[in-house]
Amino acid sequence: NAGVTQTPKFQVLKTGQSMTLQCAQDMNHNSMYWYRQDPGMGLRLIYYSASEGTTDKGEVPNGYNVSRLNKREFSLRLESAAPSQTSVYFCASSSSGALLRNTEAFFGQGTRLTVV
Amino acid sequence: GNSVTQMEGPVTLSEEAFLTINCTYTATGYPSLFWYVQYPGEGLQLLLKATKADDKGSNKGFEATYRKETTSFHLEKGSVQVSDSAVYFCALSGLDGGFKTIFGAGTRLFVKA
Repeated sequence: NAGVTQTPKFQVLKTGQSMTLQCAQDMNHNSMYWYRQDPGMGLRLIYYSASEGTTDKGEVPNGYNVSRLNKREFSLRLESAAPSQTSVYFCASSSSGALLRNTEAFFGQGTRLTVV
Repeated sequence: GNSVTQMEGPVTLSEEAFLTINCTYTATGYPSLFWYVQYPGEGLQLLLKATKADDKGSNKGFEATYRKETTSFHLEKGSVQVSDSAVYFCALSGLDGGFKTIFGAGTRLFVKA
């Protein structure tokens, strides 16, 4: 049981380049999330998808787009990378919904992105 | 707005010492509270949780009690081990339809042998 799988694990981009971070979960979860982790700031929510076919902005969505391709997959796209987007990116999933208050989030191992 | 505040680290302890990591929250409503742990090079994983006031979450010798009157969820362990060295995140969820988890900044723990 793989859980949440992210690719790639490491990436270096030049300013202005684009790339897509891939995420897939095999737990049949409805909800998926993208976070970024920066020193001293914890995890900040970029975008989330409450269920297949829906996406919503989180706390820090500027410069990113997402696609919920199907129930398993949720990708994050940087259209024109900037140095401020250097961070560690985590994908997560959960079975949470309006009636489920106590479900945990399951995380991938992260993608370390450097924009030069 | 909803937020989580944790004590700043790093926290450095000797093996078998007592651990407390403070966490307080601000929330409009009644969230569920969580502690996640992140070991080096890995993603976060759930350590323990509590869903209502006075609940105590526990796992692997760690404990935390949901204190509504002080809006706190402090993490404690009676005797830490070197293998407990990690970053610990306090978090809340269950608000805004339950789709968002809000994390604290994290507290790094170093345990020396």
